[in-house]
Amino acid sequence: KNEVEQSPQNLTAQEGEFITINCSYSVGISALHWLQQHPGGGIVSLFMLSSGKKKHGRLIATINIQEKHSSLHITASHPRDSAVYICAVRSNRDDKIIFGKGTRLHILP
Amino acid sequence: DTEVTQTPKHLVMGMTNKKSLKCEQHMGHRAMYWYKQKAKKPPELMFVYSYEKLSINESVPSRFSPECPNSSLLNLHLHALQPEDSALYLCASSQGPLVYEQYFGPGTRLTVT
Repeated sequence: KNEVEQSPQNLTAQEGEFITINCSYSVGISALHWLQQHPGGGIVSLFMLSSGKKKHGRLIATINIQEKHSSLHITASHPRDSAVYICAVRSNRDDKIIFGKGTRLHILP
Repeated sequence: DTEVTQTPKHLVMGMTNKKSLKCEQHMGHRAMYWYKQKAKKPPELMFVYSYEKLSINESVPSRFSPECPNSSLLNLHLHALQPEDSALYLCASSQGPLVYEQYFGPGTRLTVT
């Protein structure tokens, strides 16, 4: 079983829909990252969380440390949001970063 | 300047060639990272430099040789690579080696023929 699990693996939605991507992890962490990777390969760091909730524009990220779960929400989704969204955690045991397999999001116009 | 730059963008090399990938940041970050990413897979950590010293080597074969000449630069020297080494190589940096956000470069797409 992977230490970081994301769901869904693939998601196709219509423009304007509210999107939720989930991340569950099984290790103790010091931080959780949400990353966005576009088809060209470049990775953008969206959020780094250790507790609570963060908002940036149409993106919201939440984390529940007790439940070892984080969600990334996109409001009023747009075709330019189409990308792979990756959850990554930093282990508090050895400081290493463990990546989820990513969620491939496709927003249709 | 909140950018991590990588050169070249694309590289095609033969198995007997020697080449280098370059990564640069001017954010004053003291930790820098090399990742390898195969198609449709998450990035895999290769090396971490912390304060210009190699702090993590994830059992990477010796045909990959990292170098950190100064706090702004990170190189990855490549020699005698195999076709299975073809991948996207991503560089990242962070303010420090612990709980800090990583900033990623655009990557170098490497093809080994």
